[in-house]
Amino acid sequence: QSVLTQPPSASGTPGQRVTISCSGSSSNIGSNTVNWYQQFPGTAPKLLIYINSQRPSGVPDRFSGSKSGTSASLAISGLQSEDEADYYCAAWDDSQNVWVFGGGTKLTVL
Amino acid sequence: VRLQQWGAGLLKPSETLSLTCGVYGGSLSGFHWSWIRQPPGKGLEWIGEVNALGGGGIGGPNYNPSLKSRVTISVDTSKNQFSLRLSSVTAADTAVYYCARGDLIMDAFDIWGQGTMVTVSS
Repeated sequence: QSVLTQPPSASGTPGQRVTISCSGSSSNIGSNTVNWYQQFPGTAPKLLIYINSQRPSGVPDRFSGSKSGTSASLAISGLQSEDEADYYCAAWDDSQNVWVFGGGTKLTVL
Repeated sequence: VRLQQWGAGLLKPSETLSLTCGVYGGSLSGFHWSWIRQPPGKGLEWIGEVNALGGGGIGGPNYNPSLKSRVTISVDTSKNQFSLRLSSVTAADTAVYYCARGDLIMDAFDIWGQGTMVTVSS
């Protein structure tokens, strides 16, 4: 069971806006920044969002992140078929001194 | 910068898993270097990290308490690579193992290796 809680699945149609939630606690999301990773089948995860809402170079501005208290969200606007992937949130946990991840959300573009 | 990893992909129970990650096109200095694994069909688990400090110093390592008794992560600055050893493996250690760079400014894993599938089976 993952320390950070994500919905196992999400879906949307092309052009729609989809959000994926990530719930934690005061020792991880509540006191540290949140990152989001995108993973396609058979490939390594790719950094999508860092420090809650920052995008690495090359990541489209359709992807955005936010954090409030002990929860974070990833939003994808203008959904495209190539966005179909697994998405993971992550944060450092001060009580365990480990990086913790969400269980992942499988995004399906209908 | 590119990470290229290698190591044995099939082990028997009780053997020691050994993987190495080479860092190409950049330096070890100033970054954290982690190993992360992903069991088939499941999520990501951080194994541990070693920190390459400026001036050639090494900080850490820091390990996930759930694996600490079996894990060793080391750095070879002369070869620009770092390694993972996990002893006494069982079927529960079957997973894809990734090496990753931790950027201190981004506070995130910004570069990942290609992954190595390690299967533990008798």
